[in-house]
Amino acid sequence: ETGVTQTPRHLVMGMTNKKSLKCEQHLGHNAMYWYKQSAKKPLELMFVYNFKEQTENNSVPSRFSPECPNSSHLFLHLHTLQPEDSALYLCASSGEITYEQYFGPGTRLTVT
Amino acid sequence: GQQLNQSPQSMFIQEGEDVSMNCTSSSIFNTWLWYKQEPGEGPVLLIALYKAGELTSNGRLTAQFGITRKDSFLNISASIPSDVGIYFCAGRRSSNTGKLIFGQGTTLQVKP
Repeated sequence: ETGVTQTPRHLVMGMTNKKSLKCEQHLGHNAMYWYKQSAKKPLELMFVYNFKEQTENNSVPSRFSPECPNSSHLFLHLHTLQPEDSALYLCASSGEITYEQYFGPGTRLTVT
Repeated sequence: GQQLNQSPQSMFIQEGEDVSMNCTSSSIFNTWLWYKQEPGEGPVLLIALYKAGELTSNGRLTAQFGITRKDSFLNISASIPSDVGIYFCAGRRSSNTGKLIFGQGTTLQVKP
């Protein structure tokens, strides 16, 4: 248990569906991150939020829409996804001093 | 973009053997982190390094921050079956951001 939870753990969705991934951290951190992990690729940073403000968007397609209502919660809204978007989506959080990132268990997303 | 070269890509060893893996970069890093990821889970932080030359242990794991600040090493002594997983290095370049760059991972398999 790392103090970062993600729901759902598994999600299957069609290309026309709209769904959301949720992340919550109980570590008192101020920064939260979304990563995409595909087979045989390094983790790809998608978005960074610092004190609820988006500080990084790594050229992510607009069909992925992040939302950070407060420092403890992070959402990733999904719509009109493609099969190549199937991957493990990981959330992480970090504090301000050491910046060590702690990851959630991930959501395994399958787009059919 | 910035990449970390992590090697070896995979290792298949006998229980009891020692393991070594490393990460190299063309750029200087301020922080090196080592993570382990097991199937169906997110990466778990093993060791964090903050100073060039630093040597830090966590049980049977020992990691070092290279003197040049462009590399890091992870050693596992007397491997056991539960060491199986993917080990990732991650580096942080800037001192005022939590953004990490990840290596491709080293897949470790241990034969009992």
